[in-house]
Amino acid sequence: AQTVTQSQPEMSVQEAETVTLSCTYDTSESDYYLFWYKQPPSRQMILVIRQEAYKQQNATENRFSVNFQKAAKSFSLKISDSQLGDAAMYFCAYRSARGGADGLTFGKGTHLIIQP
Amino acid sequence: DAGVIQSPRHEVTEMGQEVTLRCKPISGHNSLFWYRQTMMRGLELLIYFNNNVPIDDSGMPEDRFSAKMPNASFSTLKIQPSEPRDSAVYFCASSLPQGKNIQYFGAGTRLSVL
Repeated sequence: AQTVTQSQPEMSVQEAETVTLSCTYDTSESDYYLFWYKQPPSRQMILVIRQEAYKQQNATENRFSVNFQKAAKSFSLKISDSQLGDAAMYFCAYRSARGGADGLTFGKGTHLIIQP
Repeated sequence: DAGVIQSPRHEVTEMGQEVTLRCKPISGHNSLFWYRQTMMRGLELLIYFNNNVPIDDSGMPEDRFSAKMPNASFSTLKIQPSEPRDSAVYFCASSLPQGKNIQYFGAGTRLSVL
């Protein structure tokens, strides 16, 4: 079974600064997908970014980028120019690429605080 | 598109009562997932359906929980009888079937069992 670990229960960053959230995972599969979801106080789960394991290039979405290290099974999220609206819980998630639409395996989350 | 629609948004019930949570997936999505979020255990997959057929229910905590998907546009998660430890936020999500596809989440149902 796959596991996802987020070792930082809480992170704090000054507005406009850069912050990196850590995520490691364990799997015996070679093909899979990794995701970062954001959950603001409204509790809506919002996709931030997605990475396909067979792609070496790190995914980017505007101010959000990942550092995907497949050999190390590491998938960190970097948020540049942090904004007050980035304050939320962030969840790292894993999904198998094998046949059938398997569910997501989530980490326990990192609570991101933005200091004005 | 209206997104994944869950109802009710909040549910308060007493121990022993039956609870039914409802979900309408995004039109055209043929995979549907039920998750539960608690402080202690985080987000856990309970069950998922492909083309209205349950594929994996290994995450369903016990026989008190059941889920159905009678058609492509509707699913229910039922708890009977409910217990205080069932208090959680229950999310429904839908996607196209391949693993690369994004799961879109509903707003969740916050269940409180007194």
